[in-house]
Amino acid sequence: SQQGEEDPQALSIQEGENATMNCSYKTSINNLQWYRQNSGRGLVHLILIRSNEREKHSGRLRVTLDTSKKSSSLLITASRAADTASYFCATDAKTSGSRLTFGEGTQLTVNP
Amino acid sequence: DGGITQSPKYLFRKEGQNVTLSCEQNLNHDAMYWYRQDPGQGLRLIYYSQIVNDFQKGDIAEGYSVSREKKESFPLTVTSAQKNPTAFYLCASSTGLPPYEQYFGPGTRLTVT
Repeated sequence: SQQGEEDPQALSIQEGENATMNCSYKTSINNLQWYRQNSGRGLVHLILIRSNEREKHSGRLRVTLDTSKKSSSLLITASRAADTASYFCATDAKTSGSRLTFGEGTQLTVNP
Repeated sequence: DGGITQSPKYLFRKEGQNVTLSCEQNLNHDAMYWYRQDPGQGLRLIYYSQIVNDFQKGDIAEGYSVSREKKESFPLTVTSAQKNPTAFYLCASSTGLPPYEQYFGPGTRLTVT
C-alpha cells in the first residue's frame, strides 16, 4: 500500500512564483526522497533528506522534514515553465530494506 | 554511458497473450525494481530483486512474473492472468545500500486490447 500522500494533487502557478508541495507518511523512516517525472518519462531523483535532518537545500529546491508530524515539504523557488512535471515523495521505512514507497504525486503546472 | 534502458517504448498486445518487458542496467547495481503506473497515479511496486537469482513480490505481483539470472537484467512478464494489464511500466535500479536512491528507465507503455 502507498505510504506517502502528496498535497495538493495539482498546482498551477505563474512563472517566477514559488511552488510548495507536501508529503505525509505513516511509518518511521530512514530517509525521504523527492523525485520528478516529466510526462511519459521515467522518474529523476531530485533530493534526499535523512530522518535526522530538518532542512536541506539544492539550488532552487528546499526540502523540510518533520518526523514528529510525519510530513515533508518541497519548495521550488522562482519557478520556470520547465519545472512543469509531477513530483513524488518516496520513503524507505525502517523495516522495508531497499524498497521505496511512493506517494500519489503532485502535478505542477508553471504557466509562462 | 551508464544508465538503465527499457524496451520497447510502446507495446501492443491482444488479450490472452503473455508479454515480456525488457529492463537492462549497466550501473553495476545489485537491486532492481518493477513498478506499474496508471494515469494520474503514483507508482505501485510489482516485484523487486536485491541480488541475482533472488526476487520478492511487491504490492501487486498477481498476474506478473520476473527472473533475475544476470545482474544487468530484470525482465518482467505480464501474463494473461493479469486482469487489467494496460499501464505504464517503469523499471528502476539502486545499489541496494542506504539511502536507496533509485535510477529509473524511460518506461514501457503497454496497451492490451
